[in-house]
Amino acid sequence: GAVVSQHPSWVICKSGTSVKIECRSLDFQATTMFWYRQFPKQSLMLMATSNEGSKATYEQGVEKDKFLINHASLTLSTLTVTSAHPEDSSFYICSARDPPKGRETQYFGPGTRLLVL
Amino acid sequence: DAKTTQPNSMESNEEEPVHLPCNHSTISGTDYIHWYRQLPSQGPEYVIHGLTSNVNNRMASLAIAEDRKSSTLILHRATLRDAAVYYCIPDLNSGNTPLVFGKGTRLSVIA
Repeated sequence: GAVVSQHPSWVICKSGTSVKIECRSLDFQATTMFWYRQFPKQSLMLMATSNEGSKATYEQGVEKDKFLINHASLTLSTLTVTSAHPEDSSFYICSARDPPKGRETQYFGPGTRLLVL
Repeated sequence: DAKTTQPNSMESNEEEPVHLPCNHSTISGTDYIHWYRQLPSQGPEYVIHGLTSNVNNRMASLAIAEDRKSSTLILHRATLRDAAVYYCIPDLNSGNTPLVFGKGTRLSVIA
């Protein structure tokens, strides 16, 4: 099946710094990618929808100036957590669909665990 | 989005079948029923999906009620590797819409 990769798999940073997480679709082109975050013992929460070549659409309550999303190509979307604080520590997961091949399936990356000290 | 109700947790013995129920009484006529699972510290992975008819694949079977208001994911022989959180998600199946996750069912498998 289709593969979505994320990099890095985990990151530790100091409070106030920015962290960039990459999400790649390895064997298909993804016009649309989705970013989720997951706190311990909780379910995945959708943060934003990333559209190639246009601005991302953010869910209510997600600060677009804090979580910068860039989807510059059909295989790469990036999420930058700006001025990270300890409360941003979470498991960030990206996802994409491969419409031509499998509209019914949404493929997920392995996740990036962020710890802000 | 259609709301779902799943048991918070379930337990199974290894090598025995497991039936994971899901109620989705507000599902629309065009929504597919998707099941995903999430192993510890990993992203979710696709298990199975269906619209009206029961479905089988190498991982599991999906039994869909005739009124589509509920479904059951069936793992025929649970293994330790099947311990995960299982999510039932009604979805329009559009390429541009994201899956919306509920709380899911945490399945424990006992050796």
